[in-house]
Amino acid sequence: TQLLEQSPQFLSIQEGENLTVYCNSSSVFSSLQWYRQEPGEGPVLLVTVVTGGEVKKLKRLTFQFGDARKDSSLHITAAQPGDTGLYLCAGANYGQNFVFGPGTRLSVLP
Amino acid sequence: NAGVMQNPRHLVRRRGQEARLRCSPMKGHSHVYWYRQLPEEGLKFMVYLQKENIIDESGMPKERFSAEFPKEGPSILRIQQVVRGDSAAYFCASSRLGRDPPYNEQFFGPGTRLTVL
Repeated sequence: TQLLEQSPQFLSIQEGENLTVYCNSSSVFSSLQWYRQEPGEGPVLLVTVVTGGEVKKLKRLTFQFGDARKDSSLHITAAQPGDTGLYLCAGANYGQNFVFGPGTRLSVLP
Repeated sequence: NAGVMQNPRHLVRRRGQEARLRCSPMKGHSHVYWYRQLPEEGLKFMVYLQKENIIDESGMPKERFSAEFPKEGPSILRIQQVVRGDSAAYFCASSRLGRDPPYNEQFFGPGTRLTVL
């Protein structure tokens, strides 16, 4: 059974700070996706990474896929209150369903 | 472009009743996935469907739960004889291509929050 772990589970920071959250597994994934989910809403896709070592940037968010495709990180620069939410990673392999991590709940205080 | 639509957004049922959750995928998407989310937890896969076919239902309980995606109309997740443990948020996602990487982005609806009294 493939499992994804995310850390930290909870994170509360002040506006303007930088942060990194992690998604780790003992399994290799062919692709990995990051989502942000706000209370009462569905997850919103942020990025998909497919190549080991790949780095993608989305404004203040930087995503990295580990060389071995077992882990990923999300770095946010100068966090804003609008970044508050539950950050989920999901891994996928051929012929298999998405496996979601439990999420990191981020709170950015003004 | 309309996104994935789900209705109802909130559903209250008494134990023993039936719950029907509907999902209309994004335009051009023929692959639908249902997930369940409990408070403070990630999403758990339930079932993957294409038009008129169930591709993978390995995450769906064998009893009381069923899903369909007819040729016309929305996908429906049906829960018969609901119990309190069925209370959760149920999310539908759709994709244009299948679930295989790399072009397997899934787009989620707003969810249906089921409460069983």
